[in-house]
Amino acid sequence: SQLAEENLWALSVHEGESVTVNCSYKTSITALQWYRQKSGEGPAQLILIRSNEREKRNGRLRATLDTSSQSSSLSITATRCEDTAVYFCATDEHYGGSGNKLIFGTGTLLSVKP
Amino acid sequence: DPKIIQKPKYLVAVTGSEKILICEQYLGHNAMYWYRQSAKKPLEFMFSYSYQKLMDNQTASSRFQPQSSKKNHLDLQITALKPDDSATYFCASSPGSQNTLYFGAGTRLSVL
Repeated sequence: SQLAEENLWALSVHEGESVTVNCSYKTSITALQWYRQKSGEGPAQLILIRSNEREKRNGRLRATLDTSSQSSSLSITATRCEDTAVYFCATDEHYGGSGNKLIFGTGTLLSVKP
Repeated sequence: DPKIIQKPKYLVAVTGSEKILICEQYLGHNAMYWYRQSAKKPLEFMFSYSYQKLMDNQTASSRFQPQSSKKNHLDLQITALKPDDSATYFCASSPGSQNTLYFGAGTRLSVL
């Protein structure tokens, strides 16, 4: 079963606007990550937010985490056309020792129009 | 320069054939992974390796066999290919105990 899920399939905004992508998850986590995947590329991490953190920022990006409602959001301010991508949230499962497994949501396609 | 190299970028195969997807990482990471991305499906975890040892296998079919000849290599052999195997296969790595994944650009496999 899927552990993490974004709440919308697709969003469209105009350049300069702000946008928020939401994600819900179903199990306890140690951390939640947001990734972005541009067309023809592999996913790239944007933000990692740990379970004891409520907010994390990275430039124009801001992630929040609410462990009581098992939800997270990723906000992008002053969007640019190059922000057009699929945005995934991902939760982790840890093994003993090295290595981990990330479970990805289905993703939200964000289109930023000029 | 890309730090995780996947070859080939595109691959077309006929049903029943066998292919090997190549992955090399130059990030110095100890853990490597394979994920699969099919149309309209989330990124799906397949395998994880740590120090060249299999840590987890979430692939039901034995037709998928990872091969690690070197610490920074994790190839994926797929035998008896089926059209349902058509997908983009991503290799990833992580620096051991940290849980950020770094992905390659993927190999897009089409099985006819």
